[in-house]
Amino acid sequence: QVQLVESGGGVVQPGGSLRLSCAASGFSVNDFGIHWVRQAPGKGLDWVAFIRYDGSNQFHADSVKGRFSLSRDISKNTLHLQMNSLRPEDTAVYYCAKGPRVSGIPAAHYMDVWGKGTKVTVSS
Amino acid sequence: NFMLTQTHSVSESPGQTVTISCTRSSGNIASNYVQWYQQRPGSSPTTVIYEDKQRPSGVPDRFSGSVDISSNSATLTISGLKTEDEGDYYCQSYDRTSWVFGGGTKLTVL
Repeated sequence: QVQLVESGGGVVQPGGSLRLSCAASGFSVNDFGIHWVRQAPGKGLDWVAFIRYDGSNQFHADSVKGRFSLSRDISKNTLHLQMNSLRPEDTAVYYCAKGPRVSGIPAAHYMDVWGKGTKVTVSS
Repeated sequence: NFMLTQTHSVSESPGQTVTISCTRSSGNIASNYVQWYQQRPGSSPTTVIYEDKQRPSGVPDRFSGSVDISSNSATLTISGLKTEDEGDYYCQSYDRTSWVFGGGTKLTVL
């Protein structure tokens, strides 16, 4: 069963850092791209970042560029979102979501399986 | 970057048909696939339409998607509405280096 489980959320002061994890099961993170999407309280979905299936490239929303970065631990089949210089407007539930494969090739144009999310609160 | 604009809310009775639109601000709507996600209260999003009109396995054929180049918009149509269809619906598309969600449409089935 394909599953994604996020962890690492919590309360952090403005300017602080947090590392979120996304543990995958039922598939290898080496075969699929992974997105991070966040949702502020009472608001809509907001795309944050994407890492290619082979880790060769990553893309970030302008709002987090230079502050957030992605990494992978293949041995643990886990992705990480490192969040630095956090701001109150980063407060949200953070979801990781898997990209599909199209004709056997990893694709990125949409998210086909989502985790349940982990909550991040940035507040003093 | 472009934006995707959705109607804020829509309501309809059980058994009826509802359409939710998603208008792209710049660039051709047909140049990149459009997806639709359903988010029930307290739950994670799930995909109901991908690549403009494709349904994932398990999504009933009451859900359909289309794209209209003349209005530069995509539409999600849900027929035979059920109370379980209540929730927020988001369209999504992308360009070379970013992925964009619409603001969401709250569907009430009453």
